[in-house]
Amino acid sequence: KAGVTQTPRYLIKTRGQQVTLSCSPISGHRSVSWYQQTPGQGLQFLFEYFSETQRNKGNFPGRFSGRQFSNSRSEMNVSTLELGDSALYLCASSLGDRGSPGIQYFGAGTRLSVL
Amino acid sequence: DAKTTQPPSMDCAEGRAANLPCNHSTISGNEYVYWYRQIHSQGPQYIIHGLKNNETNEMASLIITEDRKSSTLILPHATLRDTAVYYCIVRGPPLWRGGSEKLVFGKGMKLTVNP
Repeated sequence: KAGVTQTPRYLIKTRGQQVTLSCSPISGHRSVSWYQQTPGQGLQFLFEYFSETQRNKGNFPGRFSGRQFSNSRSEMNVSTLELGDSALYLCASSLGDRGSPGIQYFGAGTRLSVL
Repeated sequence: DAKTTQPPSMDCAEGRAANLPCNHSTISGNEYVYWYRQIHSQGPQYIIHGLKNNETNEMASLIITEDRKSSTLILPHATLRDTAVYYCIVRGPPLWRGGSEKLVFGKGMKLTVNP
């Protein structure tokens, strides 16, 4: 079974631009979460989606948004990029179904550099 | 979610057992203990989780004290590939039980396995 796939793997943008990152969960997984990892702040939770609905949101400004599609694929968008948005963005998926243990499986991440 | 405390780093000799401690003194009755690890610049990898009983899988064993205030992850025969940052995370029930699949990461503990 294929793992969590994130595209692109690397991205370079300039300040003020916007960016869209994509995540394809493991087949059958209906819950998708996003995390940001920086050297200073570590791994921080961004959002959690299940059945196309945002279930939880972390403490990030409104420039960070996301969505989930009917096939469980998810995208996150960052508008008006700032230098501090340079980070590794990680997507994780889990079954989310009744009886499942809630184990999240992570993708390899998208490394975003803002110049 | 309850806070966890881990030592910042630990060394272990290759082939020996690595015992990674974690304190979670404020854990509540419905919270689980999860362990993940992150090898440099990769996405975190699930290792094991438990509620109150000791657990074992092909990767590791998890020993939870009777009062549930601390736990130990055991890698029975550490290899160089086990060098990573290990995260001990306490989390409530999964989505289907009204909780969340999101993970709150602390700073983790850097395990270095030496030849």
